[in-house]
Amino acid sequence: DIQMTQSPSTLSASVGDRVTITCRASQSIASWLAWYQQKPGKAPKLLLYKASTLESGVPSRFSGSGSGTEFTLTISSLQPDDFATYYCQQYNSSPFTFGPGTKVD
Amino acid sequence: QLQLQESGPGLVKPSETLSLTCNVSGGSIFSSSYYWGWIRQTPGKGLEWIGNVYYSGSSDYNPSLKSRVTLSVDMSKNQFSLRLTSVTAADTAVYYCARQGYHYGFDVWGQGAMVTVSS
Repeated sequence: DIQMTQSPSTLSASVGDRVTITCRASQSIASWLAWYQQKPGKAPKLLLYKASTLESGVPSRFSGSGSGTEFTLTISSLQPDDFATYYCQQYNSSPFTFGPGTKVD
Repeated sequence: QLQLQESGPGLVKPSETLSLTCNVSGGSIFSSSYYWGWIRQTPGKGLEWIGNVYYSGSSDYNPSLKSRVTLSVDMSKNQFSLRLTSVTAADTAVYYCARQGYHYGFDVWGQGAMVTVSS
């Protein structure tokens, strides 16, 4: 199985901050990576796929980059609605695996 | 727009079978562009992909659960289902159904169903 790691596990930030979350895969996944946002009691919400493609309706302050084994999710200017937990997920090969999450508080 | 809704018992006894159904509304499960998946979430293990099923019935399972999992599709009811046998307390989780496009993430999710395994 491809193992996914994320750093940091928790990130303290303020409204207006630029926030960067890193996701690493244990082997190359090309660009087959998705990012999700999850709020308490809710299902994850797809933000980006194919590492850097913004899902329809997602604000442009979210962006993604990377390929191979190292990826980043950037929020250019943190908004009050962005305080949540963020997960990466590889879908390069089965079994699809998720990172452990980064909580932005 | 497409919506998914999980249904099934919230409490299952150890060693019994967990059965959940995902009702698809606002669209058809009969699509060559999508897979229909199940993902579960626990505080300890985080998000865990259980498996995907295609409208044809072909499926792909997480090897960690493969011996106990069956996914199926009922096109007449526009639903897909999860069966997990021989459950233990470790199977206690929130279970989500979701849609995945080819080379795409899971873009539509159900609200989640909390299932507790306890006698």
